[in-house]
Amino acid sequence: AQTVTQSQPEMSVQEAETVTLSCTYDTSESDYYLFWYKQPPSRQMILVIRQEAYKQQNATENRFSVNFQKAAKSFSLKISDSQLGDAAMYFCAYRSIYNNNDMRFGAGTRLTVKP
Amino acid sequence: DAGVIQSPRHEVTEMGQEVTLRCKPISGHDYLFWYRQTMMRGLELLIYFNNNVPIDDSGMPEDRFSAKMPNASFSTLKIQPSEPRDSAVYFCASSYRGLGAFFGQGTRLTVV
Repeated sequence: AQTVTQSQPEMSVQEAETVTLSCTYDTSESDYYLFWYKQPPSRQMILVIRQEAYKQQNATENRFSVNFQKAAKSFSLKISDSQLGDAAMYFCAYRSIYNNNDMRFGAGTRLTVKP
Repeated sequence: DAGVIQSPRHEVTEMGQEVTLRCKPISGHDYLFWYRQTMMRGLELLIYFNNNVPIDDSGMPEDRFSAKMPNASFSTLKIQPSEPRDSAVYFCASSYRGLGAFFGQGTRLTVV
């Protein structure tokens, strides 16, 4: 089964600064989806951004962007101009296209934003 | 659309009792997932359905856990009998094909 690794249990960033959260994954598949989810203290899981593996262009959503390195199996999330509301747990997720479409999550990174 | 709806939001039950968690996915979505979240184990995929058919239940921890999806708009996760170690937040999520899944607000289960 595919595995997703987030090696940073905790990260902190100063308000208005930029922070990058790391994610690596293990797969033998050539096509798949990758996601970043945000979980604030309310515990709601919020989809932040999505990347299709067949697309070379990195996905962006406003202040959120990814650095997708397919050969390295790396999928990092960059948050620009960090805001206090960005403080949350961030989860990286892998979704298979060919292997029954299941979706697996990393252990998460807790992001603290300092005012 | 109201999003994925889970009920109850909180459940406190005594060890040995039966617990049923409910989920209404987003209309038109063809995948439904059940996850369990704990501090120790993170987000675990328990089971998922495609077009109401269970595809993979290898994440279901024990025979005490069962899940059903009788139609496209409803699913249940049942624990019988419940044990204290089942205490966790249980999430239901739905998606259309292979796209990102949308989560419900979760059910916090406490077994005492």
